[in-house]
Amino acid sequence: IAGITQAPTSQILAAGRRMTLRCTQDMRHNAMYWYRQDLGLGLRLIHYSNTAGTTGKGEVPDGYSVSRANTDDFPLTLASAVPSQTSVYFCASSVTGGGNEQFFGPGTRLTVL
Amino acid sequence: LAKTTQPISMDSYEGQEVNITCSHNNIATNDYITWYQQFPSQGPRFIIQGYKTKVTNEVASLFIPADRKSSTLSLPRVSLSDTAVYYCLVVQGGGLTGGGNKLTFGTGTQLKVEL
Repeated sequence: IAGITQAPTSQILAAGRRMTLRCTQDMRHNAMYWYRQDLGLGLRLIHYSNTAGTTGKGEVPDGYSVSRANTDDFPLTLASAVPSQTSVYFCASSVTGGGNEQFFGPGTRLTVL
Repeated sequence: LAKTTQPISMDSYEGQEVNITCSHNNIATNDYITWYQQFPSQGPRFIIQGYKTKVTNEVASLFIPADRKSSTLSLPRVSLSDTAVYYCLVVQGGGLTGGGNKLTFGTGTQLKVEL
């Protein structure tokens, strides 16, 4: 059982380019989340989805979009990357929303130049 | 949602018990206290969750006093492999309509375990 996978592992991106970070889980969890982690700021929630077909904004949603076409996949898109989006991005899932135990992926390290 | 405050860092030695305290003065009635552990270059990992009194699992114990304004994560007999960042979170209880948008990680406590 893979749990949660993220791709790519790392990426260097030119500012202004479009980028999609992929996240797939095989646990049939209803809720999924995207966080970014920056030194000194901990993890901050970008977007979440409590169930397939629905999404919501987290603490820092600007510049990011998500979709949840099915239960397993929850891609995060940067429409036009900026250097301040340089970060480590973690995808997570939980059985339901509402604070249940979240399972995290290995992360994607993104550098925007 | 209730803000949490925890020490920035702690040092310990192998075999000792480590207690990390977190304060959450504005915790609401339906909030739970949850702790996560994060190793370098990995995503956080759930350790334990509780509502009141004491919760124990194979990894840790969580002590929550009656007023629930603070909690203490207790790690018995730590080893070098327990060196990590520990996050205290206050999460809103509930089901599908619950607070998935309200999970807030602070900066955590960096625990360093030495020989």
